[in-house]
Amino acid sequence: SQQGEEDPQALSIQEGENATMNCSYKTSINNLQWYRQNSGRGLVHLILIRSNEREKHSGRLRVTLDTSKKSSSLLITASRAADTASYFCAKGADMLTFGGGTRLMVKP
Amino acid sequence: GAVVSQHPSWVICKSGTSVKIECRSLDFQATTMFWYRQFPKQSLMLMATSNEGSKATYEQGVEKDKFLINHASLTLSTLTVTSAHPEDSSFYICSALRGPINQPQHFGDGTRLSIL
Repeated sequence: SQQGEEDPQALSIQEGENATMNCSYKTSINNLQWYRQNSGRGLVHLILIRSNEREKHSGRLRVTLDTSKKSSSLLITASRAADTASYFCAKGADMLTFGGGTRLMVKP
Repeated sequence: GAVVSQHPSWVICKSGTSVKIECRSLDFQATTMFWYRQFPKQSLMLMATSNEGSKATYEQGVEKDKFLINHASLTLSTLTVTSAHPEDSSFYICSALRGPINQPQHFGDGTRLSIL
């Protein structure tokens, strides 16, 4: 069963806008990971945030983690059409349990 | 670095055929490999965990006689869908863990399996 629930399930924005995706989970974690999946392709790792971290950045990506609320968010700033993809959060030390994903569409 | 190659990328075959999918870590040795299944517009569901030289660990509800996993070396794991039927049609994705736990997984590009 999926451990994480993602919100929203789908998001459509204009190029240049920011996109925020949220992930909630039920049990305690050592870390939480975010992945991107382009249509019909495998997953690409974006960011891993550990349970003792609150925020992490990578380029235009910002991930936050609130362990008290058991939630994480992924922010993509200044979005581009190439950011169109599905984004998944995942928890687990070795075996990963994925959330339902957010399908992001960035319109040029 | 950390490239995982999955082959084939697309398979169409008749019902009753057995299909083998390969997952290779090209530039690293994978301590563990994982096999996932994904239906359209859904998330990934873990099927099994594969360690080199030992039997795979299957998730609940996954038939081990149906989905045979062999992990012959630290760089190769194979998934064989035996006597495939239309309900086995799906997107199968492998991933590899490069080192200790709590690290990112590296994914192959997936195999789209269509059984006629």
